[in-house]
This record gives sequence, C-alpha cells and structure tokens, in this order.
Amino acid sequence: DTAVSQTPKYLVTQMGNDKSIKCEQNLGHDTMYWYKQDSKKFLKIMFSYNNKELIINETVPNRFSPKSPDKAHLNLHINSLELGDSAVYFCASSQLGSNQPQHFGDGTRLSIL
Amino acid sequence: SQELEQSPQSLIVQEGKNLTINCTSSKTLYGLYWYKQKYGEGLIFLMMLQKGGEEKSHEKITAKLDEKKQQSSLHITASQPSHAGIYLCGADGGGSQGNLIFGKGTKLSVKP
Repeated sequence: DTAVSQTPKYLVTQMGNDKSIKCEQNLGHDTMYWYKQDSKKFLKIMFSYNNKELIINETVPNRFSPKSPDKAHLNLHINSLELGDSAVYFCASSQLGSNQPQHFGDGTRLSIL
Repeated sequence: SQELEQSPQSLIVQEGKNLTINCTSSKTLYGLYWYKQKYGEGLIFLMMLQKGGEEKSHEKITAKLDEKKQQSSLHITASQPSHAGIYLCGADGGGSQGNLIFGKGTKLSVKP
C-alpha cells in the first residue's frame, strides 16, 4: 500500500488556469507538508499542517491555498497559474516534532504552457 | 537562516567503486536526514543522525555526523547501478514545526 499518495502525477495546463493537487497519507501521521522542487532540483518547504491546522506558511504567493479536510489529507489549490509555477510539488507527512523522518509522495509534475 | 551545502554536485563512478558525498551546515545540526531521489519518484528516506559522532549503516551505505554536528558524510561501498540517483541531505528547520531544509542534492551516476 502506498504510504503517501499524490494525484495527479502529471499536470499540464495553461497560464491563468486554476488547478488542484491532492495528497493522502495512510501512516497515521499528524503533520503534512507541501514542498516545491524547482528546475534545479532545489527542494523548499511551502506549507505545513498539524492536525488540520496551518503551522508553517513560507513566503508563497497567496494564489496557493492549502486545505486540510482531515489529518490524513492535504490538498493544494493554485489560482491563476503562472509560468514560474512550473515545478515538481511534493507532499510529505510525519509525526510532529524534531527528529521525525518525513515520508514523501512521488511528486506532481506541473507544467504551465 | 540555516543552509546546507552538498558536495560534489554530481558524481560519476564506475560500478564497484566507493564514493563519499558531503553535507555541510551553516549552523549546528539537531537532526540530519539523508534521502535518495530517483527520477520520476519521491524521496526515499535512508537514515537519520542526531548525535555528534553518530554513524549508521544500511546495506552498503554508511552515514556519519561529525562531533561538532555541522557536517555529515554519506559513503557508499562497492557502488552498483541501483545506487544511482540524487542524494539529498536535510536538516530540521528549527523549532518544533518539523519542516526540513534541504541541500541542493548530489547527482550520482554509476557506470556498469
């Protein structure tokens, strides 16, 4: 069984559109994350939710809105997509606290035309 | 803010050779994680180090954290094509929020 699953795996869309990426974890973790990996493979935190509450919100345009309906799900909605949003978006989960390994999904490759 | 510097950026080795990847932090490390990423896949957790001088091994991969807790190394013995991928070190971002700060990765290619 997949521990952290993201859908879709690939997303190709035009500039200006709105899209969503879904993430689910079945590990019983209380914290979920969204990371962005740019074209140079640099991975950076975007958001973190603990028990459905936002705990980290890095400097991300407000076109990006995470939503956590329950602690096993963290979705990412992006409005008015721009060319610079093209990247791989990774979802991860862990137990909250230091020294808790994070488990990652396979990523969603977003390409903006 | 904390930064992680990985070296080398990329590495090509012949199958069977040993190799080492380094990760240096601008601040003291309170938790250091090594991940491996294959193209088209997510990050696979390899090992976590916490204590100065700590060393862990899994199959042919050994990771160490130096006594000062500012540098970690990942050593692969007798490399195989299956070891190819991007190796990323990550560190706790501080506080108890759990976010990780990552290095820029080391791309490893293993020639058969």
